[in-house]
This record gives sequence, C-alpha cells and structure tokens, in this order.
Amino acid sequence: EAGVTQFPSHSVIEKGQTVTLRCDPISGHDNLYWYRRVMGKEIKFLLHFVKESKQDESGMPNNRFLAERTGGTYSTLKVQPAELEDSGVYFCASSQGQGDGYTFGSGTRLTVV
Amino acid sequence: GEDVEQSLFLSVREGDSSVINCTYTDSSSTYLYWYKQEPGAGLQLLTYIFSNMDMKQDQRLTVLLNKKDKHLSLRIADTQTGDSAIYFCAEYTGGFKTIFGAGTRLFVKA
Repeated sequence: EAGVTQFPSHSVIEKGQTVTLRCDPISGHDNLYWYRRVMGKEIKFLLHFVKESKQDESGMPNNRFLAERTGGTYSTLKVQPAELEDSGVYFCASSQGQGDGYTFGSGTRLTVV
Repeated sequence: GEDVEQSLFLSVREGDSSVINCTYTDSSSTYLYWYKQEPGAGLQLLTYIFSNMDMKQDQRLTVLLNKKDKHLSLRIADTQTGDSAIYFCAEYTGGFKTIFGAGTRLFVKA
C-alpha cells in the first residue's frame, strides 16, 4: 500500500509569500494530522482532521495558517503570508483509529528567507 | 500541561546496549510510543506500550514503563550501525492527541 506522501519535499520562499503544502494520507485513514518540527526541537502538534472535519486545531500558531481537507482525502496547509519563524519541517501523518500509531510522511522542509 | 522530555544525544559502541529515556507529564496517557527517524525520512513507528503494562519486548527492543514516575525507556540490545537515527518518544494523551518529544539522536560507533 502507498504510504503518506507529502509535496513538496523542500520549499524556499521569501518572507511575505504564500506556500501551500500538500499531504496525501493512506487511503481509508480517516484521521489526518499536521505537525511541525522547528530547529531540532520537539515535534509540535498543529491540527487533526477526522475525515473532512477539524477535530482539534489547538496547535495552529495563528491565522496565517489555514488547513483544509476537502472531501476527506488529501489535505493542504497554506501559510500566508509566511514569516521567518515559520521555517521548519512540516510533517503529515494519518491513522485509522485515534489511538493507533501514526504513519508519517517524509515531511516538507520549509525555509523562509 | 502536556510535555514529553528526552535527552538529545546518546553515543554507544556497536554491539553494546543503548538505553533511551523519556519522561512525560500526562498521567492519563493511554499509549506510549517510540518512533524512529532515519535521515531524509518520516517517522516510523517502532513499538508502543499500553499504559497498563510495565514492559514489552520485541526482538532487540525492550520498552519499560514506570507509570508512577511517568518514565519510559527504550533499550536496544546489540546496537548496530543501522540503528543510528533519531528516536522520538510520544504519548497519546487524555486530550486525544499524540505529543512528541524533541528526539534523541543515537550515534553508533563501529
């Protein structure tokens, strides 16, 4: 079975620009999560979708971040406008049940200059 | 609050045992996990333990859980160079989300 795929793998953008990250979860996984790792620190929770609904978005840093999961399949995470502190690796993960271990994508490394 | 802490680095010689430690704060955690991240890859679930267990063994991996002290450890027996990676401890909390630590980078010297 295909794993969790993320696109792009790397993105370098200027401060003030917009970037959209995409995640394709494992087919049939209702739960989709976004996490971010900044500068070797902990992997911080951003939000959790169950199908197309946002179950928990308590980790979203501010309103420059917008996540969607139309139709309950793939998800996008848009950052607009990007700031320097948004740099980091953005991971997407999916699971069948909420307490199940997650399957992670390889991440998108975002660099804002 | 919800927090997971682990030491940042561990260096061992090939063939020795590695022990990676982790502490967590949420006493209502139901599952605790160890993930492994190799360079350029995503996190891979290595093993997990239910909070009502105190030990789980899976081939070279042994997970120990001290629920009273909220301490989790991962022991890798006969550590190989292929075990070099970042190991993340994580807890599934009462708030229905998984909280990760900062990761322990394991260096295995030949």
